[in-house]
Amino acid sequence: NAGVTQTPKFRVLKTGQSMTLLCAQDMNHEYMYWYRQDPGMGLRLIHYSVGEGTTAKGEVPDGYNVSRLKKQNFLLGLESAAPSQTSVYFCASSYLGGETQYFGPGTRLLVL
Amino acid sequence: GQNIDQPTEMTATEGAIVQINCTYQTSGFNGLFWYQQHAGEAPTFLSYNVLDGLEEKGRFSSFLSRSKGYSYLLLKELQMKDSASYLCAVRAITGGGNKLTFGTGTQLKVEL
Repeated sequence: NAGVTQTPKFRVLKTGQSMTLLCAQDMNHEYMYWYRQDPGMGLRLIHYSVGEGTTAKGEVPDGYNVSRLKKQNFLLGLESAAPSQTSVYFCASSYLGGETQYFGPGTRLLVL
Repeated sequence: GQNIDQPTEMTATEGAIVQINCTYQTSGFNGLFWYQQHAGEAPTFLSYNVLDGLEEKGRFSSFLSRSKGYSYLLLKELQMKDSASYLCAVRAITGGGNKLTFGTGTQLKVEL
């Protein structure tokens, strides 16, 4: 089992560009999450999904969109990147809500 | 809302014991997790407490007092590889189901 994987590992964008981060899990988990981690801020929830075809907003959803077309995949989109979105993005999954979350290796995004 | 406090940094000596505290204020408390995160890597699950008391897992133990809104992670026989950030995460029941909120983490440095 690969667990939770993320693509890409690192990306540099210019302000206004768009991109999609891909998260995949092979543990048959229902719940999937996108977090961003910034120095001194801890992990903050962007969006999450409680099952295939569903998404919900987290703590800091502005500027991001998500889709969960397949149970194993959770996509995070930035339509028009801003320097404030420079961060490390982690995807996580759990079998049910509130249970142990398993994290992917992270995507480091730099927006110039 | 939720408020989670952890010390920002701690330093300890190899072979010693260190206690990392976490205090929280939340409604609907439903469990507390500890995660370990090495620099540049993903958080990994260490322990989970939902009832008062001590949970021991090898060199790591975690304690919870629900009435005091307090938890600690105890690391024994410290090794250099224990140098990492330790994240306290509180689970609470909200209108939307279980919600997990992370503290900002405690950066532990183990020295010779």
